[in-house]
Amino acid sequence: GENVEQHPSTLSVQEGDSAVIKCTYSDSASNYFPWYKQELGKRPQLIIDIRSNVGEKKDQRIAVTLNKTAKHFSLHITETQPEDSAVYFCAASKGAETGANNLFFGTGTRLTVIP
Amino acid sequence: DVKVTQSSRYLVKRTGEKVFLECVQDMDHENMFWYRQDPGLGLRLIYFSYDVKMKEKGDIPEGYSVSREKKERFSLILESASTNQTSMYLCASSPSMGSRNQPQHFGDGTRLSIL
Repeated sequence: GENVEQHPSTLSVQEGDSAVIKCTYSDSASNYFPWYKQELGKRPQLIIDIRSNVGEKKDQRIAVTLNKTAKHFSLHITETQPEDSAVYFCAASKGAETGANNLFFGTGTRLTVIP
Repeated sequence: DVKVTQSSRYLVKRTGEKVFLECVQDMDHENMFWYRQDPGLGLRLIYFSYDVKMKEKGDIPEGYSVSREKKERFSLILESASTNQTSMYLCASSPSMGSRNQPQHFGDGTRLSIL
């Protein structure tokens, strides 16, 4: 099955700096890569996703890049703010004939933005 | 907005008990999922369902079963609870893929302690 590795496990940045979280995946058939943010005590929430037919996607301060050849994708957060502090999870999926989009998650990155 | 509701935020049970965790979604989604979340391990898939009465094992199904009698409701059952099942349990739902992968939407989680 799919194996998703995520690095680093913890990341501390000064407010205003950029943060980058990297993930690799093993199954070349994976074609959908969402990123979730989980604040303390709350549910994981989708913040951005990318499909295999594009190499980059941006939404305000958040961007995701995908390198299919190398099988890795990254989350970039610019101009970080204290409210960006959370655990971030990457995931990969290739879908199934049943229509179920099983997600394989990385182990998470705890981002701390220091004011 | 998608609403995934888990019946309990916190639950304390004893070893050997049969435990039911309930999840309801209000968006007529075909797919529903149960994960457990443990520090350093990310989210691991226990079971999923892609239709009423249909279920498939995820990565860690041992010690668990599920039930999906109605489209909106997906139950996770711990047949005989053990202390190593103490964890955070997250339910998620998503529409059927169709031609494109769709994001999963999560509930708030149930923190289960087995004493």
